[in-house]
Amino acid sequence: DAGITQSPRHKVTETGTPVTLRCHQTENHRYMYWYRQDPGHGLRLIHYSYGVKDTDKGEVSDGYSVSRSKTEDFLLTLESATSSQTSVYFCAISAVSADTQYFGPGTRLTVL
Amino acid sequence: SQQGEEDPQALSIQEGENATMNCSYKTSINNLQWYRQNSGRGLVHLILIRSNEREKHSGRLRVTLDTSKKSSSLLITASRAADTASYFCATPYGNNRLAFGKGNQVVVIP
Repeated sequence: DAGITQSPRHKVTETGTPVTLRCHQTENHRYMYWYRQDPGHGLRLIHYSYGVKDTDKGEVSDGYSVSRSKTEDFLLTLESATSSQTSVYFCAISAVSADTQYFGPGTRLTVL
Repeated sequence: SQQGEEDPQALSIQEGENATMNCSYKTSINNLQWYRQNSGRGLVHLILIRSNEREKHSGRLRVTLDTSKKSSSLLITASRAADTASYFCATPYGNNRLAFGKGNQVVVIP
């Protein structure tokens, strides 16, 4: 399995609080991605990174920000969590653009 | 965005039977990928087929790609209970991105 971990694995928080999810890789892959997965919507891209300090928005980026200060870590921050952000969040990594992606185990986030 | 669409969306078969699912996409691609997701887990990459390939095999998996019809199929032969999962196709779009279909739920009955 690709060396990719996510933390925390489960989190319950309240509306209005900031939340940060961490993705950590040991593969030295250039590309890192954050997705959310919701019933009926499949997997949707939130943000991705194509290098240290290089990020771009995905299709559902509103309310989310990201940072990548080193190759191995990609952080996703919900600036002020809302109930609509209750979801399962997956991080993925890739060595080559738009090629095979390796997924982390996911973080289940519940916003009350 | 370009998004693969899997068909059928849900499939229930007996162990030992073959399972076939299809994926259609909208614009030109240079590769198409299939992923599996077991309940509560992350997606696992199964196979990637490039636009200049028509068929590819990996163990009990067979993938075809028809770029003229903008479609792909995934065949799982001699299915096992462990094949019970959701299967997604994914295609590149924009810069550095993959668009995933909504998934195809396969249940293999022992």
